[in-house]
Amino acid sequence: QQPVQSPQAVILREGEDAVINCSSSKALYSVHWYRQKHGEAPVFLMILLKGGEQKGHEKISASFNEKKQQSSLYLTASQLSYSGTYFCGSVTNNLFFGTGTRLTVIP
Amino acid sequence: DAGVTQSPTHLIKTRGQQVTLRCSPKSGHDTVSWYQQALGQGPQFIFQYYEEEERQRGNFPDRFSGHQFPNYSSELNVNALLLGDSALYLCASSLGGAPIFLDEKLFFGSGTQLSVL
Repeated sequence: QQPVQSPQAVILREGEDAVINCSSSKALYSVHWYRQKHGEAPVFLMILLKGGEQKGHEKISASFNEKKQQSSLYLTASQLSYSGTYFCGSVTNNLFFGTGTRLTVIP
Repeated sequence: DAGVTQSPTHLIKTRGQQVTLRCSPKSGHDTVSWYQQALGQGPQFIFQYYEEEERQRGNFPDRFSGHQFPNYSSELNVNALLLGDSALYLCASSLGGAPIFLDEKLFFGSGTQLSVL
């Protein structure tokens, strides 16, 4: 029931955009997104509920397609502070985190 | 406003021993969830405590048990430690509600790094 994330890793230059995808084999009630920097606790980014809504957090936004059981995280005009591992969490009867996408932003 | 605090930060045990990890939730939060995070993996849900009871449990054996106290703090106990139990153990607090996890924003602690030798 663990969602699958892609890509596993991505390297960006400052100012570039990226998309991280999260796909589940089960019907989803909601999707969570968290970012974890090395040696630190995961930090909440956003939750998306059913209804195909899109949310934004500064220059980070996400969409949730419940029919396709997929969510995507969009990072625009990336900054060095965006570096870290991004986890999606799929909510079915429980909260299952994906294996993560390691994002590195270089100057 | 203190966030989620966990203790100890690091722990080394040998196979067969027992360990207790502790967590104090963010002020105002009444729900505590525990996760196991192996190196390079996403957090795996162990269980959640709400109103001093285990509300939901992940796919972990009975060697993993927990407790929540009236002040909402929580303990995770692991008996008969195995080498495979080596991992970062994360505690997350939230405001309890139903349905579980649907719209619960989790605040994570920095974790306890457990090494089993």
